[in-house]
Amino acid sequence: EPEVTQTPSHQVTQMGQEVILRCVPISNHLYFYWYRQILGQKVEFLVSFYNNEISEKSEIFDDQFSVERPDGSNFTLKIRSTKLEDSAMYFCASSRETGNRETQYFGPGTRLLVL
Amino acid sequence: SQQGEEDPQALSIQEGENATMNCSYKTSINNLQWYRQNSGRGLVHLILIRSNEREKHSGRLRVTLDTSKKSSSLLITASRAADTASYFCATDAIIQGAQKLVFGQGTRLTINP
Repeated sequence: EPEVTQTPSHQVTQMGQEVILRCVPISNHLYFYWYRQILGQKVEFLVSFYNNEISEKSEIFDDQFSVERPDGSNFTLKIRSTKLEDSAMYFCASSRETGNRETQYFGPGTRLLVL
Repeated sequence: SQQGEEDPQALSIQEGENATMNCSYKTSINNLQWYRQNSGRGLVHLILIRSNEREKHSGRLRVTLDTSKKSSSLLITASRAADTASYFCATDAIIQGAQKLVFGQGTRLTINP
């Protein structure tokens, strides 16, 4: 069964450094998402992406964040200058369509630790 | 406003018993989804129920949806130790373009052997 994959599984970085989190969505899916989960807290929506542009972003997704689909398979989340509070599990998700029929499938996550 | 608030926050039962978790939400939805998360791991999709559906089954899972009360329940029958995990409901926000999911805090389910 096809699945969403994410790399790396863990990333440790110094505050102020740039990180790029990578995702390979399910191949026939058209909608892509990033969510994050700070330890012990809810899963929070960051951004959705369709047709090579952001369709919605949350207030968490400020100018330090960007997303890109550099080729036909990868979907990346970049944090330009990491802060301590960016430490979280980051989940990529994809769906084939939207609306009441569609499930979002999540990757296993990247655990980011900012020191 | 908070969407997808689950209760109880934690539930501990004996293997073989049934586990029921509830979710309440505040705004209109297209669908409601339940996910499982093992400790420190990814989110596994369990079941999606559409706003025009009232009940759905998948194996040992039974989900109900009451849109008049803005609530849903997840029932796991004949629980197993492997069912130990956190369970989240997620509601979609009705927006233009892509759907975003709004998650609750989750219910931590422990199945005691």
